[in-house]
Amino acid sequence: QKEVEQDPGPLSVPEGAIVSLNCTYSNSAFQYFMWYRQYSRKGPELLMYTYSSGNKEDGRFTAQVDKSSKYISLFIRDSQPSDSATYLCAMATIYSGGSNYKLTFGKGTLLTVNP
Amino acid sequence: ETGVTQTPRHLVMGMTNKKSLKCEQHLGHNAMYWYKQSAKKPLELMFVYSLEERVENNSVPSRFSPECPNSSHLFLHLHTLQPEDSALYLCASSKSLAGTDTQYFGPGTRLTVL
Repeated sequence: QKEVEQDPGPLSVPEGAIVSLNCTYSNSAFQYFMWYRQYSRKGPELLMYTYSSGNKEDGRFTAQVDKSSKYISLFIRDSQPSDSATYLCAMATIYSGGSNYKLTFGKGTLLTVNP
Repeated sequence: ETGVTQTPRHLVMGMTNKKSLKCEQHLGHNAMYWYKQSAKKPLELMFVYSLEERVENNSVPSRFSPECPNSSHLFLHLHTLQPEDSALYLCASSKSLAGTDTQYFGPGTRLTVL
């Protein structure tokens, strides 16, 4: 089983729709959960991160982590054409005082929001 | 502008060539990373440096050789690459290795190996 699973899509929605992006993981040692957005020909940029189970909201974006189910989600409300991008989930473990570092990304989901 | 620059932006090389990718960050960060992004595959972490010391070795083939001469610069030396090494190579930096520190990515170098 892959450590992080993410449906690559593509996902196409009309403007104003609520978008739900999801990842599952198998490594219970993951401590940090991130969502990145990557526009074409650009490097990924961090959208949100969470450390514990629960919800975190930032404007139109809500990140949700369920550690018991090993499942994370990103919700985008009132989606806009400018949200069209690839969304990558990522999970990290840092231990032994920072000398061991593991960061694993999902494959990314390509989202298109149509005007 | 993210403060992380990469050169060159595009590189085409033959399998017998030797080339280097360069990354520079002007953010005062102590940690730097090399990633490989291939089509339809997850972003792969290749190398991690913290305070110019390598802290992660992800079983990357020896034809990739990183160098971190100081906390602002990171190189990836390439030699005798294979066509399957064609990918987008991304550099990133963060204040430290703490999971709460944001990683800032450069625009990447698009590498094609013929």
